[in-house]
Amino acid sequence: DTGVSQDPRHKITKRGQNVTFRCDPISEHNRLYWYRQTLGQGPEFLTYFQNEAQLEKSRLLSDRFSAERPKGSFSTLEIQRTEQGDSAMYLCASRSWVDGYTFGSGTRLTVV
Amino acid sequence: SQQGEEDPQALSIQEGENATMNCSYKTSINNLQWYRQNSGRGLVHLILIRSNEREKHSGRLRVTLDTSKKSSSLLITASRAADTASYFCATDAVPEKLVFGKGTKLTVNP
Repeated sequence: DTGVSQDPRHKITKRGQNVTFRCDPISEHNRLYWYRQTLGQGPEFLTYFQNEAQLEKSRLLSDRFSAERPKGSFSTLEIQRTEQGDSAMYLCASRSWVDGYTFGSGTRLTVV
Repeated sequence: SQQGEEDPQALSIQEGENATMNCSYKTSINNLQWYRQNSGRGLVHLILIRSNEREKHSGRLRVTLDTSKKSSSLLITASRAADTASYFCATDAVPEKLVFGKGTKLTVNP
């Protein structure tokens, strides 16, 4: 499979717990993005990497959120001390200099 | 904040009919993209139209762009039940940051 892979597909966690999601982009894509989508809304930009450098972060990304992309390959998005408002679909996308965006299937987070 | 706004919010048609969805946006763009999302799944890129283009075709899809009105339309001809999904427009007013609308939920009844 040469698409963007996200793991896990679904995550249910108790409020206050930490969660970590993983995204494996298309191997030749140097740019990687995280978006968040709540029910009935379009995706909203969270953050963007070019290779291993995190170049932009949205105001939506509070101090409880951290994203990494070590060695410019896969990326992780961690949410600490989860809140019910964090319940959403977290989408990862990647692209090269010339291609359009390729999105993964997303990780659906439910905070109970 | 959402840049694009799709219209209508929901559309229900019969198989074989054409479906038209509209998108309006607020600021100048380099390009506009349309995506499809099946329920609970990720986004699938459908078509990209650049700001200097007025119309683009891809299979049963036809996209128009009117930069003077800051609007775009997506036409799906001869719709099929498998076209049932939500459709989003996305603009790149800010580089590396797609801004999506709320989407149009299309239902194609067999």
